Amino acid sequence: GQQLNQSPQSMFIQEGEDVSMNCTSSSIFNTWLWYKQEPGEGPVLLIALYKAGELTSNGRLTAQFGITRKDSFLNISASIPSDVGIYFCAGRPLITQGGSEKLVFGKGMKLTVNP
Amino acid sequence: DSGVTQTPKHLITATGQRVTLRCSPRSGDLSVYWYQQSLDQGLQFLIHYYNGEERAKGNILERFSAQQFPDLHSELNLSSLELGDSALYFCASSVSYAYEQYFGPGTRLTVT
Repeated sequence: GQQLNQSPQSMFIQEGEDVSMNCTSSSIFNTWLWYKQEPGEGPVLLIALYKAGELTSNGRLTAQFGITRKDSFLNISASIPSDVGIYFCAGRPLITQGGSEKLVFGKGMKLTVNP
Repeated sequence: DSGVTQTPKHLITATGQRVTLRCSPRSGDLSVYWYQQSLDQGLQFLIHYYNGEERAKGNILERFSAQQFPDLHSELNLSSLELGDSALYFCASSVSYAYEQYFGPGTRLTVT
């Protein structure tokens, strides 16, 4: 099945530093989403991207839909302790099973921020 | 608060038992998705329902089944439970033909 490669798998940073993570696929996606999950909670949608080349910001978060439609990037600027969590990318492949809007998820990037 | 509700929050049961997890989607959302998340694992897609009809199946075991009712709430039934079924189970909902999925708080299932 279709898979997303998300990297890095984890990061340890100091408060105030910027963070970058990316997600790649071997096939074309027409939607990219970024989620954050905190321990014991459900994933929370951060940013949604629908067009190749699209660059969208949400506060200190910025995400981009890659031009090739096979990748996406998420940047967090000036990190703070509450940014701690697992960040997942998710996407909808161009070719799907039965027209379902189901998403494919990356394995997540665990972020630790040292105060 | 995503607007998606799941009950119960926690569930502890024994091997061989059967449990039912419940999900109520956001108001107006017709699609419900179920996911399984094991320790240190990503989100594994189980099944998708749209307006009462099954639309897609993922890695769902034959011991698991789901349905979506006319009021759009959904239930995930897990039977003949095994230790390996211990996990977080999430449901998510979305509006028709949109891809932004909103997740509930999850049900933590522990099989002893």
